[in-house]
Amino acid sequence: DAMVIQNPRYQVTQFGKPVTLSCSQTLNHNVMYWYQQKSSQAPKLLFHYYDKDFNNEADTPDNFQSRRPNTSFCFLDIRSPGLGDAAMYLCATSPLAGVGDEQFFGPGTRLTVL
Amino acid sequence: AQSVTQLDSHVSVSEGTPVLLRCNYSSSYSPSLFWYVQHPNKGLQLLLKYTSAATLVKGINGFEAEFKKSETSFHLTKPSAHMSDAAEYFCVVSTYNTDKLIFGTGTRLQVFP
Repeated sequence: DAMVIQNPRYQVTQFGKPVTLSCSQTLNHNVMYWYQQKSSQAPKLLFHYYDKDFNNEADTPDNFQSRRPNTSFCFLDIRSPGLGDAAMYLCATSPLAGVGDEQFFGPGTRLTVL
Repeated sequence: AQSVTQLDSHVSVSEGTPVLLRCNYSSSYSPSLFWYVQHPNKGLQLLLKYTSAATLVKGINGFEAEFKKSETSFHLTKPSAHMSDAAEYFCVVSTYNTDKLIFGTGTRLQVFP
């Protein structure tokens, strides 16, 4: 089945130690998104790629970076995680941009910062 | 500008009784509207979507929603709740000229035996 895959599902890191979260998709979608979701809150968009075109949200901290080496993969790098970065990180994809269409979500990576 | 208001943060029902989760939207353009469900420690799953076709939309697991333009509402209903329906539900709006989804604050559905 075509899908969005996130690895790992659970990640534990130490305060200040860089961490990378991974997302891959077999849907061949052009657009990929990264969201941060804290407990009992709605997902918050961090950034998205339309193909290789990177779009950062204005309030996304500089501590968060992303890479998309090819259509299938996208990475979220947190350079110096703080305790406030503990959250669920969701990757999503969409076939087209600018058409108001649905997004397809992966299962998420739950990040714990010690 | 677009926005979504979910009118209830928590809804509790007994198994076998109807479910109603309320959502109002605001949009300058013809909206696309979605309901997503999220079970604990899982990603978001699309329940149903409205994209300017039929105003009564049927989704998975027996859920449906009706788009009412005059009331700017898109309420989610199910005739008979099941224990497995207990989850967080998000009402979401988007339009043709944006790459982004606008999420409501979510409604937590509890189902009691």
